[in-house]
Amino acid sequence: GQQLNQSPQSMFIQEGEDVSMNCTSSSIFNTWLWYKQEPGEGPVLLIALYKAGELTSNGRLTAQFGITRKDSFLNISASIPSDVGIYFCAGRLSGGYQKVTFGTGTKLQVIP
Amino acid sequence: GAVVSQHPSRVICKSGTSVKIECRSLDFQATTMFWYRQFPKQSLMLMATSNEGSKATYEQGVEKDKFLINHASLTLSTLTVTSAHPEDSSFYICSADRTSGRGGTGELFFGEGSRLTVL
Repeated sequence: GQQLNQSPQSMFIQEGEDVSMNCTSSSIFNTWLWYKQEPGEGPVLLIALYKAGELTSNGRLTAQFGITRKDSFLNISASIPSDVGIYFCAGRLSGGYQKVTFGTGTKLQVIP
Repeated sequence: GAVVSQHPSRVICKSGTSVKIECRSLDFQATTMFWYRQFPKQSLMLMATSNEGSKATYEQGVEKDKFLINHASLTLSTLTVTSAHPEDSSFYICSADRTSGRGGTGELFFGEGSRLTVL
């Protein structure tokens, strides 16, 4: 199936550093979703974005819906060890009933 | 956030047997649920879209007779892997749309996943 391009693929950072990852698509989406997945568990929704240009925060996490509707980024400020996991972006064509296309994932490792 | 529960979380079965995985939305109704398969170190691959009261829509390359989906109510969808073989071993994850009227909220909530191992 179709996938979104997500970068970087993986990253090692020092605790306390800020993190930035992004997701690009050749298709337009109406909704962007960001998830975190830990080993052996299902993805957990972090942030949902519904409008082009929208900037939304959830604690230390901030995500933006690109103006072209073909990209989105996620920032994590002041990283902590429990931020470790795989982060997935996901795009959706409409508010409901439409299937979601997932990014390739960014594996984050935080060095204490 | 909304809660979606999957059961069982782990199952080991012999080759040739069938395995049923349940996906329940615990605190909301879901007209639509999705089933994904995830291989190690890879992203989620959509297998099928499960619609309450109608037939599931399968993605290209997914055998509908192999992976039977039943969406019997607004809170329950089941995936049955029939005549399982070792290559069916994988992590299966369901997700549910938190529907609100016709349009839904756009947010997709995932179950905890089910690890299937076929011997």
